[in-house]
Amino acid sequence: GEQVEQLPSILRVQEGSSASINCTYENSASNYFPWYKQEPGENPKLIIDIRSNMERKQTQGLIVLLDKKAKRFSLHITDTQPGDSAMYFCAASQGNMGYKLTFGTGTSLLVDP
Amino acid sequence: DPKIIQKPKYLVAVTGSEKILICEQYLGHNAMYWYRQSAKKPLEFMFSYSYQKLMDNQTASSRFQPQSSKKNHLDLQITALKPDDSATYFCASSPGHANSDYTFGSGTRLLVI
Repeated sequence: GEQVEQLPSILRVQEGSSASINCTYENSASNYFPWYKQEPGENPKLIIDIRSNMERKQTQGLIVLLDKKAKRFSLHITDTQPGDSAMYFCAASQGNMGYKLTFGTGTSLLVDP
Repeated sequence: DPKIIQKPKYLVAVTGSEKILICEQYLGHNAMYWYRQSAKKPLEFMFSYSYQKLMDNQTASSRFQPQSSKKNHLDLQITALKPDDSATYFCASSPGHANSDYTFGSGTRLLVI
């Protein structure tokens, strides 16, 4: 199986600053690492993902880093805005069980204006 | 237009009763899933289906039974409901079973009293 740890559980930052969320996983066979944003009462929405053949991926103010040796991946939100306030979940899936996502416990991000 | 329709959005049930959660996807996907999100727990994988066939079941209790009448339908029947079953149940789909490029539905929030 797989277990994913996510920290911090709560993160509060000032508008315009950066926010970082870290996740670790246990199974070295995991090769797909998506990040989801979930607003209150809404479904989780994929915001960025990274596969094990990459170490870094960037899109629209989001950066994902993957360190396979340390079994660690992280999400960095640059220039945060109040609209970034939400729950963020990391997840991992394995090659031969690529259908099944194991989620972290979530980070509640609050961006103060 | 929502691509994955879950009904109902909210559901209150009495302990011991039986309910069916409805899920239909209009993405042309071949794989469908159920996940559960309880308070203070991460999103948990429950079931996966591919071409209407059960592929994986990580639910310990037989009280949870998926039902797939069509390729784009995956309903979830829950019998003998307990207060601990209270959670938000998310249906999801992906293009194929080996593909974790998920789209989540909007969820059914179940409260068992």
